[in-house]
Amino acid sequence: AQSVAQPEDQVNVAEGNPLTVKCTYSVSGNPYLFWYVQYPNRGLQFLLKYITGDNLVKGSYGFEAEFNKSQTSFHLKKPSALVSDSALYFCAVRDRKGRRALTFGSGTRLQVQP
Amino acid sequence: DVKVTQSSRYLVKRTGEKVFLECVQDMDHENMFWYRQDPGLGLRLIYFSYDVKMKEKGDIPEGYSVSREKKERFSLILESASTNQTSMYLCASSPPQGMNTEAFFGQGTRLTVV
Repeated sequence: AQSVAQPEDQVNVAEGNPLTVKCTYSVSGNPYLFWYVQYPNRGLQFLLKYITGDNLVKGSYGFEAEFNKSQTSFHLKKPSALVSDSALYFCAVRDRKGRRALTFGSGTRLQVQP
Repeated sequence: DVKVTQSSRYLVKRTGEKVFLECVQDMDHENMFWYRQDPGLGLRLIYFSYDVKMKEKGDIPEGYSVSREKKERFSLILESASTNQTSMYLCASSPPQGMNTEAFFGQGTRLTVV
């Protein structure tokens, strides 16, 4: 079975400061990892993914994420937050040999204050 | 751009009604998925389909069924709607090439059962 934990329901950060949204995962094999963002009353938009190779993955809108196998983590980061980054963020995992569907975390609401 | 279209943004139905949620994708994707999204629970997989007329149960299939008669269309059916099925429903699709591809989401249908 595969699972994802997002330990923070909400993260608050001031505009211009760095942000981190945490994600840890559990799979039986090697993972594919994803981050999505959701704006109010909208579907999910893909941000970035880790497949293999470099542990630091760069994605859309200046976001990046670091894969850490020993800590089974895939934290989302951005060096300088914008008010427009305020949204709901979801981490997702898929086992390389498992089912085709993604398993999602519970989501973290990011609030960037001006 | 990949487009996943859900037929309704908002629906209000009565308890006991049979409800159809429709989803169409325009990129010839093999895989299609239905999730429901609830606050604090993230996205939970209801059903998915990897080919026409093929389907597999997800994590919370009770009270739901699906239909995939054509490759581009995947329908979610609530046989007898209940108030605990009030939720946001998200459809997604993903390409056939391997397991490392991200899923593409529709805008969501917010269903209220009264």
